[in-house]
Amino acid sequence: QKEVEQDPGPLSVPEGAIVSLNCTYSNSAFQYFMWYRQYSRKGPELLMYTYSSGNKEDGRFTAQVDKSSKYISLFIRDSQPSDSATYLCAMSSLIQGAQKLVFGQGTRLTINP
Amino acid sequence: DVKVTQSSRYLVKRTGEKVFLECVQDMDHENMFWYRQDPGLGLRLIYFSYDVKMKEKGDIPEGYSVSREKKERFSLILESASTNQTSMYLCASSFYGNQPQHFGDGTRLSIL
Repeated sequence: QKEVEQDPGPLSVPEGAIVSLNCTYSNSAFQYFMWYRQYSRKGPELLMYTYSSGNKEDGRFTAQVDKSSKYISLFIRDSQPSDSATYLCAMSSLIQGAQKLVFGQGTRLTINP
Repeated sequence: DVKVTQSSRYLVKRTGEKVFLECVQDMDHENMFWYRQDPGLGLRLIYFSYDVKMKEKGDIPEGYSVSREKKERFSLILESASTNQTSMYLCASSFYGNQPQHFGDGTRLSIL
C-alpha cells in the first residue's frame, strides 16, 4: 500500500464549478500537509501549507485536513480555465532538520470554458 | 521571490555516460533536494542535503550521487547513465526545519 493515495483523474469540470481534490495517507508521523500546482513543463508551485486539522482558506482555495481520518482535501471555488493543471498533495516528516516529502501521484484537472 | 534554477531544461545523453545535473538557489536555503518525476509514480526523493557537504539518501538513491560544495549549489550525478534513468528531474530548496520546499522547472533527461 502506498503511503499517500491520490486519484490521478483526469478530472474535467465546467468553468465556475467547485472542484474537490482528495488524498488519503497511512503514516501517522506526517506533520505538515501541502498542495502543489504543476503546469505543463513547469515545476510544482506551492499552493497551500497546513499543519493542524481543520480548514485553511486562501482566496478561492481551501485546504482541509482531517488527521483522525488521515484525509486531506483541496477545494477550488469559482474554477477558472487558468486552474487547469496537475495538483499534487504532499505530506512531510522531519529528518536531519529537513522536510522529507511524500507526494501523491497528482490529479490532472481541466476546467472547460 | 524564491528562485531555484536548473541548468538545463532538456538533455539527451547516451548509456554509460557520466551525467551532471546542476541546481542553484538564491535564497540562502540550508536544505536542497533532488527528485525524479515519472508518470504513474509521482515525485520520488533521490537525495537531499541539509548543509554544505552533508547529504542523506532518499527513497531511490541507487545509480545516483550528489555533491554540495557551496550552499547555493547542489549537483546530481548519474555515474553511468542507463535507459531507466530517463525521467524528469526536479530540484527543490527550503530553509531549515518544516519550511516549505520551492521547486525549479525541471530537467527532462533522455538516455539513449
